[in-house]
Amino acid sequence: DTEVTQTPKHLVMGMTNKKSLKCEQHMGHRAMYWYKQKAKKPPELMFVYSYEKLSINESVPSRFSPECPNSSLLNLHLHALQPEDSALYLCASSLRDNYNEQFFGPGTRLTVL
Amino acid sequence: EDKVVQSPLSLVVHEGDTVTLNCSYEVTNFRSLLWYKQEKKAPTFLFMLTSSGIEKKSGRLSSILDKKELFSILNITATQTGDSAVYLCAAWNAGNMLTFGGGTRLMVKP
Repeated sequence: DTEVTQTPKHLVMGMTNKKSLKCEQHMGHRAMYWYKQKAKKPPELMFVYSYEKLSINESVPSRFSPECPNSSLLNLHLHALQPEDSALYLCASSLRDNYNEQFFGPGTRLTVL
Repeated sequence: EDKVVQSPLSLVVHEGDTVTLNCSYEVTNFRSLLWYKQEKKAPTFLFMLTSSGIEKKSGRLSSILDKKELFSILNITATQTGDSAVYLCAAWNAGNMLTFGGGTRLMVKP
């Protein structure tokens, strides 16, 4: 299995909703990442997990809450989002926590109404 | 603050042309540089470069890194319409940060 999977593919939510994005990989990678990508912009790093521990949090608002239950899974819990949070949310993984190829999932297209 | 700059911003060519995409970087304790191709969804990994002067090649695509001048190029020969995409380069620093450039949007016309 050489891919990163993400669910759901699309998500529409209101500003008062609570939802979660999921990411999974079975490549034995020990680093996992969340990125946010707005249209026609490069991905922006949000969080890095290394060996299931949060190692980088790029000043992301608390309405985004990451979770890494085990080495294969990464979640992003969403609560009280704003319309400007609408974007493509990409998960990626790499063998270790740096200097390696990062492999991206297909992304979740999030729309906040 | 780490910075990765790509040029040109966009490029329109015809099938069969050769293109060169540029990526310059200013990264604290640089470790390696990655190239990605992004079509409609997630970036697809192309190359990782860590050593200067060693060309990496995959089919019609090749890339090389110059750590003295702090840049990399991505070459695509005999372009095809399927090469149309945004090409992203990104640089790792020693602090486990991957900084992306703004991308080059390539359109290949038949």
